[in-house]
Amino acid sequence: AQKITQTQPGMFVQEKEAVTLDCTYDTSDQSYGLFWYKQPSSGEMIFLIYQGSYDEQNATEGRYSLNFQKARKSANLVISASQLGDSAMYFCAMREGLNGGSQGNLIFGKGTKLSVKP
Amino acid sequence: DADVTQTPRNRITKTGKRIMLECSQTKGHDRMYWYRQDPGLGLRLIYYSFDVKDINKGEISDGYSVSRQAQAKFSLSLESAIPNQTALYFCATGLGTPYNEQFFGPGTRLTVL
Repeated sequence: AQKITQTQPGMFVQEKEAVTLDCTYDTSDQSYGLFWYKQPSSGEMIFLIYQGSYDEQNATEGRYSLNFQKARKSANLVISASQLGDSAMYFCAMREGLNGGSQGNLIFGKGTKLSVKP
Repeated sequence: DADVTQTPRNRITKTGKRIMLECSQTKGHDRMYWYRQDPGLGLRLIYYSFDVKDINKGEISDGYSVSRQAQAKFSLSLESAIPNQTALYFCATGLGTPYNEQFFGPGTRLTVL
């Protein structure tokens, strides 16, 4: 079974509007971290935001926020006021604890391609 | 200077050739990783190393080998390259807890003809 599911292969958003990229995860571990990375067309992987399983507040980093719903096992990325430079692939990823079966390694979803329209 | 560097950045080679991709880091992390990215498949883990003497296979290690020459250096080898190893390869480093992100190198685009 997939541990990280991103159900939107591609999305469009109008410039200056907000957009939500979906991510659901599957783990039985109590201790885990959730991450979002951005990959522009140039190819590099850019870390955006992190949410720990024990964090009670949703993480925010500038225009990025993570809508963490633990009971639903979802960790959606919200980008406010989209900019043309936000056009990229976005990957959701999870790290379980060392006892979580994945040796604490990062497990990636297949990504969502976001296109921002002017 | 970049914290995680990869060489070469681009490589075109022929089937059957031996190829080595190199990764160096200045972050002082014990853990290093090699990933492969194919369109529509996200990043998949090839090998990972928790320290110089601890190397482990990842999800897709067949056809690859690695060497951890030092804490800061982790190389990936394709002993006999084949066309379906054409991909974007990333090296990454990180700490050992779930609460820390991994830091990625710029990637190596490998084409096997």
